[in-house]
Amino acid sequence: AQSVTQLDSHVSVSEGTPVLLRCNYSSSYSPSLFWYVQHPNKGLQLLLKYTSAATLVKGINGFEAEFKKSETSFHLTKPSAHMSDAAEYFCVVSVLGANNLFFGTGTRLTVIP
Amino acid sequence: NAGVTQTPKFQVLKTGQSMTLQCAQDMNHEYMSWYRQDPGMGLRLIHYSVGAGITDQGEVPNGYNVSRSTTEDFPLRLLSAAPSQTSVYFCASSYRFGGQETQYFGPGTRLLVL
Repeated sequence: AQSVTQLDSHVSVSEGTPVLLRCNYSSSYSPSLFWYVQHPNKGLQLLLKYTSAATLVKGINGFEAEFKKSETSFHLTKPSAHMSDAAEYFCVVSVLGANNLFFGTGTRLTVIP
Repeated sequence: NAGVTQTPKFQVLKTGQSMTLQCAQDMNHEYMSWYRQDPGMGLRLIHYSVGAGITDQGEVPNGYNVSRSTTEDFPLRLLSAAPSQTSVYFCASSYRFGGQETQYFGPGTRLLVL
C-alpha cells in the first residue's frame, strides 16, 4: 500500500531564511515521488520529481529534495525563502501500475517579511 | 498549448441539481483523471481514464459519472448534487498511465452545493 505523511500542516519562515518541508512515504514498490505547489486559487504546479535516478533532485524556483530510502523520506528544501514561495505544498507518491497518485494532506508555507 | 483547461471556474448548485464540469487538454495525453480537494485531506481520485472509451473508478466515485468519447475531453457529471460534494475539483492529464509520469493539472472548479 502507498501513503504519504506530511509532518507539518503549517510552516512559517522569515524571508531569506531556509525552508524545510518534511515528507515521509510508505510504498510497497519502488516509488516515484513528487512535490507540487499550489498558490492561492490556482491549480497545482510540479516543483520536482524523483524517479529512481539521482537521489538529490533539483526543481524550479531554487527548491530541491533528497530521496532517502533508509528513512523513507523526501523532504523539500530551499536555502532562502522568498515572499512568492508562500503557498500550499503537496508531497505525492506514485508507483508503476497504480491508477492514481497518493497525496499528502499538504503543508501551508507562510513567509514573513 | 493551452494545457489543461476547466470550466466553469466557480459554480453554485442547489441540492438535487445536476451539472457537468468540463475538462479538456490539447497535449494528446492518454491518461486523464478527476480529483477533489477538501480541507485537510489532500486530493482524492474520483475517476480516471487511460484512453478514449475507457474509464474506471478511483477512490471516491459515488455520485459522479464520467465518459471519454475523445482523447481531448473528459467531463465529470454530477447527477444529483449533494452538499457533501462541495469541493474544489481538479482535472489532470499525462502522456501515459501512472508511474513516473508528471501529471498536469487544470486550474480547478470551485463547487458550492447549497
